[in-house]
Amino acid sequence: QVLLQESGPGLVKPSETLSLTCIVSGGSMTSYYWSWIRRPAGKGLEWIGRIYSTGSTNYNPSLRSRVTMSLDTSKNQFSLKLTSVSAADTAVYYCARMGGNWFDSWGQGTQVTVSS
Amino acid sequence: EIVMTQSPATLSVSPGETVTLSCRASQSFTNSLAWYQMKPGQAPRLLIYGASTRATGIPARFSGSGSGTEFTLTISSLQSEDFAVYYCQQYNNWLPITFGQGTRLDIK
Repeated sequence: QVLLQESGPGLVKPSETLSLTCIVSGGSMTSYYWSWIRRPAGKGLEWIGRIYSTGSTNYNPSLRSRVTMSLDTSKNQFSLKLTSVSAADTAVYYCARMGGNWFDSWGQGTQVTVSS
Repeated sequence: EIVMTQSPATLSVSPGETVTLSCRASQSFTNSLAWYQMKPGQAPRLLIYGASTRATGIPARFSGSGSGTEFTLTISSLQSEDFAVYYCQQYNNWLPITFGQGTRLDIK
């Protein structure tokens, strides 16, 4: 059973870069897509983007200009960077594994607040 | 982008009842739809993919159906652990993947 765990700062200042890491345990990262998803308070879920085990990426067009994903399969982890953050980026951020184009394993989520 | 609309936003039901949650798509597609259950402090759980295929370990009381623009998730004989927020997700147009706004199941 694969387990995912997000980590990173819970507070980021406006205009700075949000950086999160997802540690994958209990399974290989090979031949899977890995995604980031967020849920702003009181709103629905928003898919941020995905990265394949080879490093190929696809981003949500609404965030593409500010998002970078990377992965290190030797460390069983993948990462998210979101630049020029504002209060609108305050959300619970989840990492997830994709089985097909759905999400079959998720982390518990980490709250990130953008505030000075 | 395909917009997913869930209704109702909140549903109050009693344990043991059967409930049907609705998810409507702004564009028609066959079966590229998934359902998730979310509880505070827990990892979200995949319930259904392919509109009607239960994920591994999901009880038979959860069933999904629909195609085109109308999809439903039915939960029979509600258990206490089923009170949560449920989201639908389309992956017919996967760039971007989109979710509904969620339906919250409350205990009456």
